[in-house]
Amino acid sequence: DGGITQSPKYLFRKEGQNVTLSCEQNLNHDAMYWYRQDPGQGLRLIYYSQIVNDFQKGDIAEGYSVSREKKESFPLTVTSAQKNPTAFYLCASSMYRDRNEQFFGPGTRLTVL
Amino acid sequence: KQEVTQIPAALSVPEGENLVLNCSFTDSAIYNLQWFRQDPGKGLTSLLLIQSSQREQTSGRLNASLDKSSGRSTLYIAASQPGDSATYLCAVSRTSGTYKYIFGTGTRLKVLA
Repeated sequence: DGGITQSPKYLFRKEGQNVTLSCEQNLNHDAMYWYRQDPGQGLRLIYYSQIVNDFQKGDIAEGYSVSREKKESFPLTVTSAQKNPTAFYLCASSMYRDRNEQFFGPGTRLTVL
Repeated sequence: KQEVTQIPAALSVPEGENLVLNCSFTDSAIYNLQWFRQDPGKGLTSLLLIQSSQREQTSGRLNASLDKSSGRSTLYIAASQPGDSATYLCAVSRTSGTYKYIFGTGTRLKVLA
């Protein structure tokens, strides 16, 4: 089945720790995205990548880092510099040269203890 | 700066009713507009994508229209069912360049049996 997988589904972090969220896609999409969703707010873009080994900051990149070493994978690291990391994190991908229709993974809920 | 607004924030309707969800955007220079459905605690499911050159798209009981000049899109749901209960989000992507999406905050729909 083609799609986007995210792991883990739930993640608990102690203050001061870095954690990495996984995102993998087998849709052969060029572009991948990370969003953060908080209650009552729309999705906010953290980072995006349109091609391997290249990525750009979104609107709320502070305290986050990413890498894009493979087309299929776009992991997000939430660093200790992120002041309020408790949120629902969503990964998406698209074939931006075509209609650029975005497809989403199931999400990871991160809670800071 | 592009802003996307969805009104109302919440809506309850009896089963069988036809309904319209609204999405407004401030900058008419868009590449496409996408409607999504999100169930609680889940990722987003793509419903319909309208490219900037199109006026509407249909899928089953769903019909989405786009009026770029007025900065509006509507999602029409015919003969609503309890299974349609979810949050519906719209998102617009910019012309050329980065193809990033800007999301509205969503309309939370409840269809009463």
